[in-house]
Amino acid sequence: GQNIDQPTEMTATEGAIVQINCTYQTSGFNGLFWYQQHAGEAPTFLSYNVLDGLEEKGRFSSFLSRSKGYSYLLLKELQMKDSASYLCAVMDSNYQLIWGAGTKLIIKP
Amino acid sequence: GAVVSQHPSWVICKSGTSVKIECRSLDFQATTMFWYRQFPKQSLMLMATSNEGSKATYEQGVEKDKFLINHASLTLSTLTVTSAHPEDSSFYICSARDQLAGDTYEQYFGPGTRLTVT
Repeated sequence: GQNIDQPTEMTATEGAIVQINCTYQTSGFNGLFWYQQHAGEAPTFLSYNVLDGLEEKGRFSSFLSRSKGYSYLLLKELQMKDSASYLCAVMDSNYQLIWGAGTKLIIKP
Repeated sequence: GAVVSQHPSWVICKSGTSVKIECRSLDFQATTMFWYRQFPKQSLMLMATSNEGSKATYEQGVEKDKFLINHASLTLSTLTVTSAHPEDSSFYICSARDQLAGDTYEQYFGPGTRLTVT
């Protein structure tokens, strides 16, 4: 079966750095997405990785290792507005998105 | 660019009635649109994939006669919840894939529709 695992909840301090991990087992791989979702709102796109390595975009970076079935989202200089759920999703061989359950990130002052 | 709208943003209906939700890609053409449902504190659940000009592909366990999907143009897909029941109360989100976006296959999400069935 297809499976995406990520921690249910994480807590971090404003100004700090946090890493949210995602491991996956899917039938085929056509890229991994990270989305941010605030409560009651639709997800917004953060990053897309299809090749191994680190993609940096401002305060957010995303890493992928296809051989390990592993990705992480790194958030630097945390701000209170970063409190949200972070969803990891893998595109399988049929170009369908397989979604993780999401990681709720709580930022404390 | 790449804006997706949904209408209505929230709706309350009585049990047994039908509700139609519209999903529009405002500044791009979308041959493929997706309908998701999300219950509180849970992740997105794909309900169906909607392809312009053809029948939707439903995920296992989703009743196609209850959740009617029509994708009549490259910018509009509709989801009709027929004979709604309280257990259909949920957050319904659509997304669209830009057919000209090349290999990224990024999905752009609408703002969601919160349905409450009383």
